[in-house]
Amino acid sequence: DTEVTQTPKHLVMGMTNKKSLKCEQHMGHRAMYWYKQKAKKPPELMFVYSYEKLSINESVPSRFSPECPNSSLLNLHLHALQPEDSALYLCASSQARQGWMDEQFFGPGTRLTVL
Amino acid sequence: AQSVSQHNHHVILSEAASLELGCNYSYGGTVNLFWYVQYPGQHLQLLLKYFSGDPLVKGIKGFEAEFIKSKFSFNLRKPSVQWSDTAEYFCAVNSPAGSGYSTLTFGKGTMLLVSP
Repeated sequence: DTEVTQTPKHLVMGMTNKKSLKCEQHMGHRAMYWYKQKAKKPPELMFVYSYEKLSINESVPSRFSPECPNSSLLNLHLHALQPEDSALYLCASSQARQGWMDEQFFGPGTRLTVL
Repeated sequence: AQSVSQHNHHVILSEAASLELGCNYSYGGTVNLFWYVQYPGQHLQLLLKYFSGDPLVKGIKGFEAEFIKSKFSFNLRKPSVQWSDTAEYFCAVNSPAGSGYSTLTFGKGTMLLVSP
């Protein structure tokens, strides 16, 4: 299985809602990533988990809350989002090799619309 | 900090034309290099990657790229494009990071439009 899966594919939420995005991989990867991608722009890194511990938080607003319950799962909890948070949210995973040759595998993304 | 520069934001070609998309990076040390493609409304897919060895790398769908260390470049090529190659293309570089993960720096992307 060389796939990263993400659910849901699409999500529409109001600014007062609480929702969660889910990402799963069964490749035995120990690093997992959340990216945000706006239309016609490259992905922007939000969070990195390595061995289930948060390693990087790229100054993301607290209305985004990541969680890594185990090595295969990565969640992104959303609360009180703004319309400008509407974007494609991508999850990725990698083997977490020391140093080089660490390829990230991307999921299909969740397209989020905040009304 | 690492930076990646893609020379063209938009490229328009006719079918069967040859393609070359430029990519330059700033880091002077050992690098891993990637080209990703994103078809309209779809997710990122890996086209090809360079880790070490032969600097001419072949990828999927007839794409190839050449790593030229002296020029800090990793240009993407295809001898004859098809309408189905219409997509956004991103060059990315793997930067040195802490142990246990990598950090990708993406270029701003090149939108390729192939007319039939």
